[in-house]
Amino acid sequence: IAGITQAPTSQILAAGRRMTLRCTQDMRHNAMYWYRQDLGLGLRLIHYSNTAGTTGKGEVPDGYSVSRANTDDFPLTLASAVPSQTSVYFCASSDKGADSTDTQYFGPGTRLTVL
Amino acid sequence: GQNIDQPTEMTATEGAIVQINCTYQTSGFNGLFWYQQHAGEAPTFLSYNVLDGLEEKGRFSSFLSRSKGYSYLLLKELQMKDSASYLCAVKDSNYQLIWGAGTKLIIKP
Repeated sequence: IAGITQAPTSQILAAGRRMTLRCTQDMRHNAMYWYRQDLGLGLRLIHYSNTAGTTGKGEVPDGYSVSRANTDDFPLTLASAVPSQTSVYFCASSDKGADSTDTQYFGPGTRLTVL
Repeated sequence: GQNIDQPTEMTATEGAIVQINCTYQTSGFNGLFWYQQHAGEAPTFLSYNVLDGLEEKGRFSSFLSRSKGYSYLLLKELQMKDSASYLCAVKDSNYQLIWGAGTKLIIKP
């Protein structure tokens, strides 16, 4: 089934450790996004990529980095995890770039707990 | 600042109709989206409005008034599986998607 996959499904991480969340899509969408979702708050954009080879900062980029080496993969790295990064992380993609009205489609999410 | 307001929680009865409101204040407007999110799952796309009026899609309809900064999602013939959170999101003038915190809809038999 076409769509977006994320790994791991959940993770408990010690503070200070490095962690990479993986995201892969097989829809050949140009744009990809990383969001975090916290209780009582709307989804907040961390980083995005309009096309392979380009990335941009969202609303809450500090402490996170991304890369977009190819169309399908968009990993999110926490260089040194802190407890405030405990959240549910969603990867999304859209056919056109972030500067369009195109619908975004979401992966199943990664639940990350930083202790 | 930019803001999307939705009720935190609503309760409705199976078989009934419910209207979930969303008001927004954003810098510009390039469309409004509604997503459904079941607990522990990903948001899934429901509807998109960019012009004023009502868009109907089966049991779900979405309405937009750009002059009032207002939208609603109307769910008819409620089923237990409609118990979920409903997220309203607006694309601003920079095409950034601004998300509301979501409305948790509880359906009772």
